Amino acid sequence: ILNVEQSPQSLHVQEGDSTNFTCSFPSSNFYALHWYRWETAKSPEALFVMTLNGDEKKKGRISATLNTKEGYSYLYIKGSQPEDSATYLCAPVENTNAGKSTFGDGTTLTVKP
Amino acid sequence: DGGITQSPKYLFRKEGQNVTLSCEQNLNHDAMYWYRQDPGQGLRLIYYSQIVNDFQKGDIAEGYSVSREKKESFPLTVTSAQKNPTAFYLCASSIEQTANNEQFFGPGTRLTVL
Repeated sequence: ILNVEQSPQSLHVQEGDSTNFTCSFPSSNFYALHWYRWETAKSPEALFVMTLNGDEKKKGRISATLNTKEGYSYLYIKGSQPEDSATYLCAPVENTNAGKSTFGDGTTLTVKP
Repeated sequence: DGGITQSPKYLFRKEGQNVTLSCEQNLNHDAMYWYRQDPGQGLRLIYYSQIVNDFQKGDIAEGYSVSREKKESFPLTVTSAQKNPTAFYLCASSIEQTANNEQFFGPGTRLTVL
């Protein structure tokens, strides 16, 4: 089982603050990495899929970067809003694992108005 | 609307009873997955299926069984052999099982074994 670590486990910020969190994974056998957002009482939804070292993806105020050589990805949220409150899951995929994702425990973000 | 449905939302069973959780998708996806979530933990893969009539064990398959007789359906049976069955169960699907394909998730079933 792939060892995936997300930090911090939880984060409380004020509306308008920018924030970021980390997903760490073994750099060997890397193939792709997914970020998902999971809001309370809803289903997880895909944010990004990243495959190339140095990749940067952006969706509105949310962006992510990928470093496959050192085995980490950052997720950034600029100007956090209460609707950004959710658990953010990363899921790297090994090239030897038949496309199966291994999920981290997530970072739970709470944005206070 | 296309999507994934899981039923029921909440399920209660007595210890020692088998229970089957339903998962249906109308997205025409080939691959389907079952995950379990425990408090404070991420999603752990129980079983997955790449195509009809084929399925593979995930990381925590012991005490569970599945079937994939139809493309749109992937039911999960929690057997009495599963030592800690109380958990939140999520079903997901993807177009096919490749690394780039995002997964689409159902709303989940919370199983409580009394």
